[in-house]
Amino acid sequence: DGGITQSPKYLFRKEGQNVTLSCEQNLNHDAMYWYRQDPGQGLRLIYYSQIVNDFQKGDIAEGYSVSREKKESFPLTVTSAQKNPTAFYLCASSIGGTSGETQYFGPGTRLLVL
Amino acid sequence: GENVGLHLPTLSVQEGDNSIINCAYSNSASDYFIWYKQESGKGPQFIIDIRSNMDKRQGQRVTVLLNKTVKHLSLQIAATQPGDSAVYFCAERLSGGYNKLIFGAGTRLAVHP
Repeated sequence: DGGITQSPKYLFRKEGQNVTLSCEQNLNHDAMYWYRQDPGQGLRLIYYSQIVNDFQKGDIAEGYSVSREKKESFPLTVTSAQKNPTAFYLCASSIGGTSGETQYFGPGTRLLVL
Repeated sequence: GENVGLHLPTLSVQEGDNSIINCAYSNSASDYFIWYKQESGKGPQFIIDIRSNMDKRQGQRVTVLLNKTVKHLSLQIAATQPGDSAVYFCAERLSGGYNKLIFGAGTRLAVHP
């Protein structure tokens, strides 16, 4: 069954703690993305990766870090520097390239601060 | 839902009616547009897309219209069903560079039996 998986579904972070959100895809897509969603707002881009071993900052990268060591995996770390991490985090992937490729989303991870 | 649409505009329709959801996009250089459906607590689901060289595209029960003159996008859903209740949002892709999408805040569709 092809698709994008994110884990965990819910994640709790304590003050000063780094937490990592998992994103895996078996669609053989080159490009992967991380978005943050807050109530009443559109999705905002945190980081994106067009190819393995390469990634770029999006619009709200401060307090986050990523890695892209494998094509199918794009984990996101929410660091202690992110002062307002409570949000719904969405991972997406697309075939890649510069043409208008559709981005397909995973089920999301809800991050809450204790 | 727990994560989307606490203060979104809402469109209420009766089951069986047609729904029209509108979206104003921001950049005249955008060349590709997508409509997504998001149910509470879930990730966005692709519905239909359209490129800027088209005015209309039809799918199963859905039609997207693009008016580049006024930078307006609409999603029409025929014979709306309770399962269509969700938040719908449009996204535009800026031409050139990487595949960056800019998302609207969304519209909540409430279907009443």
